[in-house]
Amino acid sequence: EVQILETGGGLVKPGGSLRLSCATSGFNFNDYFMNWVRQAPGKGLEWVAQIRNKNYNYATYYAESLEGRVTISRDDSKSSVYLQVSSLRAEDTAIYYCTRWSVYYGLGHWGQGVMVTVSS
Amino acid sequence: DIQMTQSPSVLSASVGDRVTLNCKASQNINKYLNWYQQKLGEAPKLLIYNTNNLQTGIPSRFSGSGSGTDYTLTISSLQPEDVATYFCFQHNSWPLTFGSGTKLEIK
Repeated sequence: EVQILETGGGLVKPGGSLRLSCATSGFNFNDYFMNWVRQAPGKGLEWVAQIRNKNYNYATYYAESLEGRVTISRDDSKSSVYLQVSSLRAEDTAIYYCTRWSVYYGLGHWGQGVMVTVSS
Repeated sequence: DIQMTQSPSVLSASVGDRVTLNCKASQNINKYLNWYQQKLGEAPKLLIYNTNNLQTGIPSRFSGSGSGTDYTLTISSLQPEDVATYFCFQHNSWPLTFGSGTKLEIK
């Protein structure tokens, strides 16, 4: 069974930084691209970032609205993906979802999400 | 960026009704269009991928169609458990973008 678990959320002051982690199991992590998607309270979904696998040289892609403030990375030995977010603003307050990407169907399995609140 | 416009934003229908949700892209997305269902307090779930392919385990009352810029999600016979917000998503080009969602309610 595919399992995706995000951790690392919490309350952060404006201007601060946060590193979210996503641990996976139940599939061959090395075969998949991984993404982060976020959802502000009561709002829609916003794709944040993608990291491809070794076959694609770990290429990364970012939403323009966040580029320069976010870094996605992965550790294949731990079947984990990470999202570093810096210079946090109130508008970054959201649930951050880690999602698995299939070349056949795009965003497939989702974790339950982790809440990030940016407030003084 | 490709803008995804969903309509209506809220849809109220009766159990057993056939319902249609719409998604329009600002440019051709070559059928790289997915539909997700999000129930209150839960993560989104993939229903349909690449316009008309039903994800494993999804009831057959859900179907998708479309091409070019216009896409639809149809529920052939609405069930109480279908109450949710439905999002379309294009993965044809960067940046990947979602529609703003259609909230589906039972009358």
